[in-house]
Amino acid sequence: KQEVTQIPAALSVPEGENLVLNCSFTDSAIYNLQWFRQDPGKGLTSLLLIQSSQREQTSGRLNASLDKSSGRSTLYIAASQPGDSATYLCAVGGYSGAGSYQLTFGKGTKLSVIP
Amino acid sequence: DGGITQSPKYLFRKEGQNVTLSCEQNLNHDAMYWYRQDPGQGLRLIYYSQIVNDFQKGDIAEGYSVSREKKESFPLTVTSAQKNPTAFYLCASSSPGGSQHFGDGTRLSIL
Repeated sequence: KQEVTQIPAALSVPEGENLVLNCSFTDSAIYNLQWFRQDPGKGLTSLLLIQSSQREQTSGRLNASLDKSSGRSTLYIAASQPGDSATYLCAVGGYSGAGSYQLTFGKGTKLSVIP
Repeated sequence: DGGITQSPKYLFRKEGQNVTLSCEQNLNHDAMYWYRQDPGQGLRLIYYSQIVNDFQKGDIAEGYSVSREKKESFPLTVTSAQKNPTAFYLCASSSPGGSQHFGDGTRLSIL
């Protein structure tokens, strides 16, 4: 069964700093990997989706990388801003034995960017 | 605007009562999902549906039921058999193997 781990559980950085969030998974037979952002009391907002054949995806100040062989993904946030403060969730997508697509989530990293 | 609408935002359940959470999408997605989120535990899959009139149990389906009579709608019923229903419930939809889009969630509490 796929397991997804995110380290650290919480991170506090000063504004303007570049930072990296880590995600690891146990089964490399994945279909894709998705990074989400969640603000308190809200649903999830998709940030980046990386297909298993891709190495990275970029959107603005965000860059996500995928290394399937080592079971790792990183989310790089450049020039962090207080508005980036949120919980970031990593989710690994794969197909079950029954042929249905499912996401397995990590517990998230809570990011605080201090002005 | 296309998106997913969950209602109500807050819901209270009395002991022995069944309650139903609504999820509607206008993204024309075939697949829909229900997750439960507890503090410190991440999201856990309750039920999912790949197509109308078909649904499958997820990891924690006990005490819950769903229906998928229309492509746009995937309601979740929390039955009295669910002894610890207090949680944040999230509904999502996607095209096959694509990015999942989430609603704003329903927070369920016990009276």
